[in-house]
Amino acid sequence: DAGVTQSPTHLIKTRGQQVTLRCSPKSGHDTVSWYQQALGQGPQFIFQYYEEEERQRGNFPDRFSGHQFPNYSSELNVNALLLGDSALYLCASSFEDGTEAFFGQGTRLTVV
Amino acid sequence: GQQLNQSPQSMFIQEGEDVSMNCTSSSIFNTWLWYKQDPGEGPVLLIALYKAGELTSNGRLTAQFGITRKDSFLNISASIPSDVGIYFCAVYNTDKLIFGTGTRLQVFP
Repeated sequence: DAGVTQSPTHLIKTRGQQVTLRCSPKSGHDTVSWYQQALGQGPQFIFQYYEEEERQRGNFPDRFSGHQFPNYSSELNVNALLLGDSALYLCASSFEDGTEAFFGQGTRLTVV
Repeated sequence: GQQLNQSPQSMFIQEGEDVSMNCTSSSIFNTWLWYKQDPGEGPVLLIALYKAGELTSNGRLTAQFGITRKDSFLNISASIPSDVGIYFCAVYNTDKLIFGTGTRLQVFP
């Protein structure tokens, strides 16, 4: 049983560019959440998707957007990248009630 | 915003020693979780706690959900080198996880 898988594992982008990160949830899970983890910090909630809709959003600007597909996989898009967007981006999947979320290995984004 | 404070911030212990770390909040939460994160990896769920006062074990790990619902602790018995990593507490708040500040554990042989 594959767990949560994310791609790519590492990415380097230039300021002002746009990036798309991808996530496949654990089998049986229908809810996907995205988190940003800066170096030395705990993960911070970006948003959550359920039934292809954004259900909840953290304190992140509109440059951060997402999508969930009918097979429950999800994308995170970040526009107009800033140096401060450099972080580990984590995807977590769960059942609809959100309990016991399982995390992927993350995508390390570096903005130069 | 809500914040979870973990202590200690870091620990340096010898293999075989027991470890204790805790997590406190100024707000009440009904679900507490403990995750471990290795460098460059995502957090891995260790223990989930759903009932105030609950004591739950997972191998050498034991966690308790505080009776006030504002704290939790995690104990690791007989530490081994692979216990090295960052331990995060987390709570559920309206379907999202809020993470603590983390406790970095180093184990020396």
